[in-house]
Amino acid sequence: DVKVTQSSRYLVKRTGEKVFLECVQDMDHENMFWYRQDPGLGLRLIYFSYDVKMKEKGDIPEGYSVSREKKERFSLILESASTNQTSMYLCASSLYPTYDRGLVKNIQYFGAGTRLSVL
Amino acid sequence: EDQVTQSPEALRLQEGESSSLNCSYTVSGLRGLFWYRQDPGKGPEFLFTLYSAGEEKEKERLKATLTKKESFLHITAPKPEDSATYLCAASGAGSYQLTFGKGTKLSVIP
Repeated sequence: DVKVTQSSRYLVKRTGEKVFLECVQDMDHENMFWYRQDPGLGLRLIYFSYDVKMKEKGDIPEGYSVSREKKERFSLILESASTNQTSMYLCASSLYPTYDRGLVKNIQYFGAGTRLSVL
Repeated sequence: EDQVTQSPEALRLQEGESSSLNCSYTVSGLRGLFWYRQDPGKGPEFLFTLYSAGEEKEKERLKATLTKKESFLHITAPKPEDSATYLCAASGAGSYQLTFGKGTKLSVIP
């Protein structure tokens, strides 16, 4: 079974703090993703990485950065946490998309999530 | 821009009352349509991938179907343990990313 592990289930931080969210996957997946999930807004992609040291901005990268020094680990960094970053953060991983007769094989597997509160 | 819309936002069913959840998509060159289940406070759990119109997949009381514009998640004789939020996502041509709908929250009442 694919296992995506997020380091914390719950986190409480103060405004202005630097926050690190860690994610580790054990399936040798090339792609890793960070989303945030808010009521009424659904899942929104913050950043993704398709290889070590490679990253791409998603839909809402402002206020966040990422680091991928090893294939299995993808970190999300809040440089200076703000109250509007209070949210559920979800990490996911997938294989590099492979195309078989036009069909893409890129199922994303998710971690359990980190509920972050910024006070 | 790729878009995925799910309806209804919330659905309450009596135990045993079958129904369907809808996922409409506008995606350039659909490469895959995905269904996930999410329990409160947890990450989404993968259920199905559908690739071409007419395809169907089943798992226990759930059956997912796909047309050229929509996907349906049919729930037959649901039980309270089927209560969850069901998410639909689509993958378009040349993209690593999934575009997610906002989900349907299903409540099955005993």
